[in-house]
Amino acid sequence: AQSVTQLGSHVSVSEGALVLLRCNYSSSVPPYLFWYVQYPNQGLQLLLKYTTGATLVKGINGFEAEFKKSETSFHLTKPSAHMSDAAEYFCAVSMRRDDKIIFGKGTRLHILP
Amino acid sequence: DARVTQTPRDKVTEMGQEVTMRCQPILGHNTVFWYRQTMMQGLELLAYFRNRAPLDDSGMPKDRFSAEMPDATLATLKIQPSEPRDSAVYFCASGRGTVAGNTIYFGEGSWLTVV
Repeated sequence: AQSVTQLGSHVSVSEGALVLLRCNYSSSVPPYLFWYVQYPNQGLQLLLKYTTGATLVKGINGFEAEFKKSETSFHLTKPSAHMSDAAEYFCAVSMRRDDKIIFGKGTRLHILP
Repeated sequence: DARVTQTPRDKVTEMGQEVTMRCQPILGHNTVFWYRQTMMQGLELLAYFRNRAPLDDSGMPKDRFSAEMPDATLATLKIQPSEPRDSAVYFCASGRGTVAGNTIYFGEGSWLTVV
């Protein structure tokens, strides 16, 4: 069965610094991969996703992620953190023939002034 | 803006009471998902439906939880009897077709507290 591991339940970065949130998946075949963001007291919203094609995926709010099959990773990055990026970020995976989408445990991103 | 609507937003109930949470998926979406979010377990998939038919409810405690879709515009999640360990945020999400490659859209959640 597929699974997702997010390294670090909390990550703190200074405003203007690089954001790097790590995600590794476990799957026998390349899955579809997603990053969702959750702001306080809200539901999750899609940040970006990888299905096929280009392995570097750009999303909203300046975020991007790169699918690396050899490393079974889909890390999320943003060159320069903004205070408004403070939220919880979830990596998720679904198999190509399956409807189920499985989420990691999430990483809370703190932005330091 | 089309969105997933969940009711109630907040619910406090006593142990042993029945709780029903409702979800109106986005019009035209034919897959519906129920997730539970807690600090300890994160986001757990409880059940999902396609075209109103339950496809997988293996994540749901069968003895007290039930999920149904009476029609295409309504999904329900019922807990009977409720227990304090059921306290969590319950999210409904909907999507079009198979979710593989397609985005699913979340409601704002139902915050349940069982005392």
